[in-house]
Parts: sequence; structure tokens; C-alpha cells
Amino acid sequence: GIQVEQSPPDLILQEGANSTLRCNFSDSVNNLQWFHQNPWGQLINLFYIPSGTKQNGRLSATTVATERYSLLYISSSQTTDSGVYFCAVESVYSGGGADGLTFGKGTHLIIQP
Amino acid sequence: KAGVTQTPRYLIKTRGQQVTLSCSPISGHRSVSWYQQTPGQGLQFLFEYFSETQRNKGNFPGRFSGRQFSNSRSEMNVSTLELGDSALYLCASSTRLAARTDTQYFGPGTRLTVL
Repeated sequence: GIQVEQSPPDLILQEGANSTLRCNFSDSVNNLQWFHQNPWGQLINLFYIPSGTKQNGRLSATTVATERYSLLYISSSQTTDSGVYFCAVESVYSGGGADGLTFGKGTHLIIQP
Repeated sequence: KAGVTQTPRYLIKTRGQQVTLSCSPISGHRSVSWYQQTPGQGLQFLFEYFSETQRNKGNFPGRFSGRQFSNSRSEMNVSTLELGDSALYLCASSTRLAARTDTQYFGPGTRLTVL
């Protein structure tokens, strides 16, 4: 099945700093989503971005499908940005057997005041 | 629209028991997927239901099963619980009008502890 690698695994920054989180995937995808998992465990949708660039406030994301990677940018970090960020993909070749979204292991982001 | 809801939010069971978790999707969404999250294995796909039919199933033993009702609400059942089934179980809903190009929205999860 498709492989998803996220980097870095951990990131500690001061409030106000900018950060870039990376997601590499091993196959062509027709679904790529970025999530923020809050301390209570809920996955909050950030972007649905199988290709192209999107922005939402201080967050933006870019997916270069031909090179099989996606980047999540967080600008002017706030302590509320802390948590785990997940990239999840669905391969265009998904068929019988295991399916659904395949998640990376996440980037644990800590924003210090 | 109301988001995805899951009940119960927390559950404690003992080994050998069975458990049923419930998920109500966003209104109008006909696809419901279930995921298991553990510290060791991360987030893993369990199964997906669409219009009361199981579309896909992940690599989990037969003790994990599910169903979907005509109103798109879904339940998952785990029989003969093992310690390793302790996890956060997340449900996601989507429209799935197209084949796969769809945003999935997650509920708050059910945290299951098996003693």
C-alpha cells in the first residue's frame, strides 16, 4: 500500500515563529488532507489539497503531486497551534483490500510562549 | 450543520467482553469510515460503509465488525476484547459522490480502555 512519511517528527518553536511541515507519499493520490489533532483527540480538518496551493489565515499548504509531496506552512505561530499535525492520503490505485485514508505518523508541534 | 457525533465518548471494558460504538455522520453524508488510533500503530483504517454496504475493510481481525443503517448512522462492534484493543476510535463521514475525491470529517472519538 501507499507509504506516507512526515517530517520533522517533533518541532519546538517560540511564539511568533514560522514553520514548515512536510509530507512525502509513495504513490499518486486523489485525496490528501492535513489535520490538526487537538488535545482531546479530535482531528480538525485544515486542508483538502490533492494538488495546488491553498491558504486559510496563517496557514497555507502546497501539494506538488508530480513530485509526491505536500507542505504545510504555519506563520506567526501561537501557543494554540500546538498539537499533532497529520497528513493523510488516498491512493488513486486503491481497490479491494485495505483502503481509506493512510496517515503519516504526524509532526508533534510545541509552541512555547 | 452539526458535525460528526460519536457515543459514548469514554468506555471501560474488561477482556473478553464486547463493545458497540456509535457514529452519526454529518447530515447528507452517506459514507462513514472508522479508524483506530494507538500510540504504537498510529491511525489505521478499519472499514468504510456507504449506503448500508461495507465498501472496504482494513487489516483487522474478524472481531471488528460494523454496520450502517438507512439513516447513515453507523455502529462498530468489537467482540472478545483484548488489551490491545485499547485505543481511540474515530469515525469520519463524507459525501463520496465521486469515487474517492472527497473531504472526510472526523468526530471527537470514543476512547476505549480494556482492563
